[in-house]
Amino acid sequence: EIVLTQSPVTLSLSPGEGATLSCRASESVRSYLAWYQQIPGQAPRLLIYDASDRATGIPARFSGSGSGTDFTLTISSLESEDFAVYYCQHRNTFGPGTKVDIK
Amino acid sequence: QVQLQESGPGLVKPSETLSLTCTVSGGSVSSGNYYWSWIRQPPGKGLERIGYFYHSGATNYNPSLKSRVTISGDTSRNRFSLKLTSVSAADTAVYFCARGFGSNLNFDYWGQGTLVTVSS
Repeated sequence: EIVLTQSPVTLSLSPGEGATLSCRASESVRSYLAWYQQIPGQAPRLLIYDASDRATGIPARFSGSGSGTDFTLTISSLESEDFAVYYCQHRNTFGPGTKVDIK
Repeated sequence: QVQLQESGPGLVKPSETLSLTCTVSGGSVSSGNYYWSWIRQPPGKGLERIGYFYHSGATNYNPSLKSRVTISGDTSRNRFSLKLTSVSAADTAVYFCARGFGSNLNFDYWGQGTLVTVSS
């Protein structure tokens, strides 16, 4: 079974700064990777699918890249509503998450 | 706009069966290339996929839960259900239903989630 590792565990940033989140797979998943945002008390929200396609209604400041085993979610300029936990996912498996909090 | 809503008991006794239903509006569980799924999240922890139901009747389960899980669809009522047998405290979690699509089972619509506590 594929294992997903996310880094860093926590990212402390200020509004307006950029964020780079990493997800690494234990073996190649080609481009089959999604990213989700979860605000406490809410359901996850799909941000990116197939590594780089933005889901419907997702702002352009969110972008995804990568293929094979290494993937990146980039938030170009953090808004207040972006402070949340971010998960990557490949089929059956979710990564452990990266928490983006306010510095 | 697709909407999903979970329903079912919030408290289940150890060794009993957890049963939840997800009612879908704005979409149909009986058509389209969608995988009607259950996902759970223990308090303070990450996400775990439980399995899915496809309108053909096909199902797929997380291997770690396969022996205890049944997911089924009720196309006449446009809903699908989860049964998890022989529960323990480790099954305490928020249970989400969601719609999956694509080769990666990307989950684009989610229910709000329902907390199920396993306790005597």
